[in-house]
Amino acid sequence: EAQVTQNPRYLITVTGKKLTVTCSQNMNHEYMSWYRQDPGLGLRQIYYSMNVEVTDKGDVPEGYKVSRKEKRNFPLILESPSPNQTSLYFCASRWGHGTEAFFGQGTRLTVV
Amino acid sequence: SQQGEEDPQALSIQEGENATMNCSYKTSINNLQWYRQNSGRGLVHLILIRSNEREKHSGRLRVTLDTSKKSSSLLITASRAADTASYFCATDAASGYSTLTFGKGTMLLVSP
Repeated sequence: EAQVTQNPRYLITVTGKKLTVTCSQNMNHEYMSWYRQDPGLGLRQIYYSMNVEVTDKGDVPEGYKVSRKEKRNFPLILESPSPNQTSLYFCASRWGHGTEAFFGQGTRLTVV
Repeated sequence: SQQGEEDPQALSIQEGENATMNCSYKTSINNLQWYRQNSGRGLVHLILIRSNEREKHSGRLRVTLDTSKKSSSLLITASRAADTASYFCATDAASGYSTLTFGKGTMLLVSP
């Protein structure tokens, strides 16, 4: 089954404790992205990647890091989480420009 | 930056009625896509319309695109309670830039 898998689904952590949210897709897609969703603000892109070792900043990259060492994986790293990073996070992948995106089920992160 | 802006922000109708949501955007696009999100879950792709298309149908969905007005509409005919969800438009820039930019969404409530 074609899917994008994120882990964990829920996470509560403390300020400053490094964490990684994993994302994996099994469709051999070139493009992968991370979004955060906040009430009243819709989906905002954090980072995206067009291929292995090719990443770029989205609209809200501050406080986040990503890497794309393999085509299927695109982890999101929060080196020192802060409460304003409490949000619902989505990973998405697609073949490329002009194609539909497939989303993971989301990771609800709370930073206390 | 958010490209698409949906209107209305929220819509409440009865089962059997039609639901119309609108999306406006700012810059030239390659295509416009509509997605659906059930409460806090991952987004699911509904339909993609390219900039050279004016109308597209998929089951009970009808999408129109007016590039001169930089706007699109999504019509759901004969709504069902199961259509209750948030609906987002997303745009792919005309220039080949890879990012898919989402609006803030319309929350649709269909009452039995």
